[in-house]
Amino acid sequence: TQLLEQSPQFLSIQEGENLTVYCNSSSVFSSLQWYRQEPGEGPVLLVTVVTGGEVKKLKRLTFQFGDARKDSSLHITAAQPGDTGLYLCAGEGDSWGKFQFGAGTQVVVTP
Amino acid sequence: DSGVTQTPKHLITATGQRVTLRCSPRSGDLSVYWYQQSLDQGLQFLIQYYNGEERAKGNILERFSAQQFPDLHSELNLSSLELGDSALYFCASSVESNRRYEQFFGPGTRLTVL
Repeated sequence: TQLLEQSPQFLSIQEGENLTVYCNSSSVFSSLQWYRQEPGEGPVLLVTVVTGGEVKKLKRLTFQFGDARKDSSLHITAAQPGDTGLYLCAGEGDSWGKFQFGAGTQVVVTP
Repeated sequence: DSGVTQTPKHLITATGQRVTLRCSPRSGDLSVYWYQQSLDQGLQFLIQYYNGEERAKGNILERFSAQQFPDLHSELNLSSLELGDSALYFCASSVESNRRYEQFFGPGTRLTVL
């Protein structure tokens, strides 16, 4: 089993601050996805990274896949209250299309 | 709206009972995944179907079973329910593009076992 560890578990910041969430594993993933989930709803896919060292930007969100494809980070610049949610990373391992999810990082952005 | 539908939205039942959760994938998606999300376990992969055939199995209990029908909708059957089965159950469907599997999640079914 490929275990994905996310840190921190919880992050509370003020509007306008920056934050970084980490997703780490000892295993190599063929791809890694980031999702955001709001209470009572299903996770929503934000991005998929495939190549080691890949960096993707989605407005104020920057995603990076580690060179060895074992870890990833999500950086949010100038966070807004709308960024509040549970951020989940999911790694695609041995089986095609089978994803292992991390426990998530709960982000709270206060005005 | 992801395009994935799940019914019912809420389900309250008693221990020992059996329930069926239903999922309709996005139009054109052949893969359906089932996940269980609880406060202490996070999002746990249960099972995946592709075009009617079981493709991958995760942490699915023997009391649980699933199937995908010719019209691609899927059902998750939970039997001999226990208090610990109370959780959110999500279905996701995926589009496979250049070997990338991008999952789209439904709104979930909240199961409460009393």
